[in-house]
Amino acid sequence: GEDVEQSLFLSVREGDSSVINCTYTDSSSTYLYWYKQEPGAGLQLLTYIFSNMDMKQDQRLTVLLNKKDKHLSLRIADTQTGDSAIYFCAERRSGGYNKLIFGAGTRLAVHP
Amino acid sequence: DVKVTQSSRYLVKRTGEKVFLECVQDMDHENMFWYRQDPGLGLRLIYFSYDVKMKEKGDIPEGYSVSREKKERFSLILESASTNQTSMYLCASSLRVRDEKLFFGSGTQLSVL
Repeated sequence: GEDVEQSLFLSVREGDSSVINCTYTDSSSTYLYWYKQEPGAGLQLLTYIFSNMDMKQDQRLTVLLNKKDKHLSLRIADTQTGDSAIYFCAERRSGGYNKLIFGAGTRLAVHP
Repeated sequence: DVKVTQSSRYLVKRTGEKVFLECVQDMDHENMFWYRQDPGLGLRLIYFSYDVKMKEKGDIPEGYSVSREKKERFSLILESASTNQTSMYLCASSLRVRDEKLFFGSGTQLSVL
């Protein structure tokens, strides 16, 4: 995912907040996504945000979008051991068949 | 719930073999995708299909082909497997072309020796 960048690793203490960051390059992107991959599993859609929104909240998850800086973040409040996984940021390009471009994924490790 | 099923969880093949990876979805989705996942590279799109018998190349189609004879089934074919095709292969589907959600299978870890 050369056009979508994420840091590869994040370690947090159980109960703290986690913030996973992502930058993208295509200003025409329509939707931006966060997917979660647990060990041995496929990707599961966590949440997504439309490009005309700044923020979306869903229970413990908060997505912030700064369209000017092309920056997307995922905040997980009260991080639990079950949140340990790889988190992928993805952007949906406009035009054509709206394919998704994925980042390399951020591995979140939650320790006691 | 949508179910995307990949036929094999682990597969070991030899260099030069023809390899078939099968994917089936049970929700009448129009679109199906094949990605490969490599550490540090994320997911890269190999091929996708927006209708039966239709296919489009993704970002890394070289060395692969696909087949979609029925709406629910999308096959990825490695005509002559090579060691650099050792990877995790993920199938996904979405209801329509402009649907915002992709549903993924559990993946097939292919090792080519």
